[in-house]
Amino acid sequence: DIVMTQSPDSLAVSLGERATINCKSSQSVFYSSNNMNYLAWYQQKPGQPPKLLIYRASTRGSGVPDRFSGSGSGTDFTLTISGLQAEDVAVYYCQQYYGTPRTFGQGTKLEIK
Amino acid sequence: QVQLVQSGTEVKNPGASVKVSCKASGYTFTDYYIHWVRQAPGQGLEWMAWINPNSGGTKYAQKFQGRVTMTRDTSITTASMELSRLTSDDTAVYYCARGKEYSGLDYWGQGTLVTVSS
Repeated sequence: DIVMTQSPDSLAVSLGERATINCKSSQSVFYSSNNMNYLAWYQQKPGQPPKLLIYRASTRGSGVPDRFSGSGSGTDFTLTISGLQAEDVAVYYCQQYYGTPRTFGQGTKLEIK
Repeated sequence: QVQLVQSGTEVKNPGASVKVSCKASGYTFTDYYIHWVRQAPGQGLEWMAWINPNSGGTKYAQKFQGRVTMTRDTSITTASMELSRLTSDDTAVYYCARGKEYSGLDYWGQGTLVTVSS
């Protein structure tokens, strides 16, 4: 199985500041034949299902604000939230869809400082 | 609008089976896979399996092989996931979600709480 490891486990950031969450996969999730990274990011608020934020490592999902951005390739990826807003308090997960099972990171809890 | 509506809360005894359904609407059911993801209380997300509603083809996480069965009924645009030989470790919220074979999961059901307890 591809192991996804996120860092940090939790993070407190001031309103308006930048939050950065990292995700590392135990093997590359880059598919060379189409030049795509098979990596997604999700946001989950309490009592709600996850919401797709980013797919293909850097493409924002439908309706996702542009303060959310994804970067990275191969085994190392980053989710950046620029200009943190109160509504961004949530747990964030990365997921690879390169191999089966489609593994998730353990999650990063984002709070307001 | 795209919707995935799941069946309601279940309480089961250890050793029993549970079947959770996922009714899709607002898109062509056979154009997207249905994935199943579960989340134990206070824990992270765990991918279980997908089904291709067009072909009926399935792929399971090795952990659930032999214990999970996924089906679909295209006439009522519904996918179902049955998990057998339940233990307390299977207590979780079970989600269905829409995606392609190789894509993020862009729409999710509301979740179904399954509690396994004697």
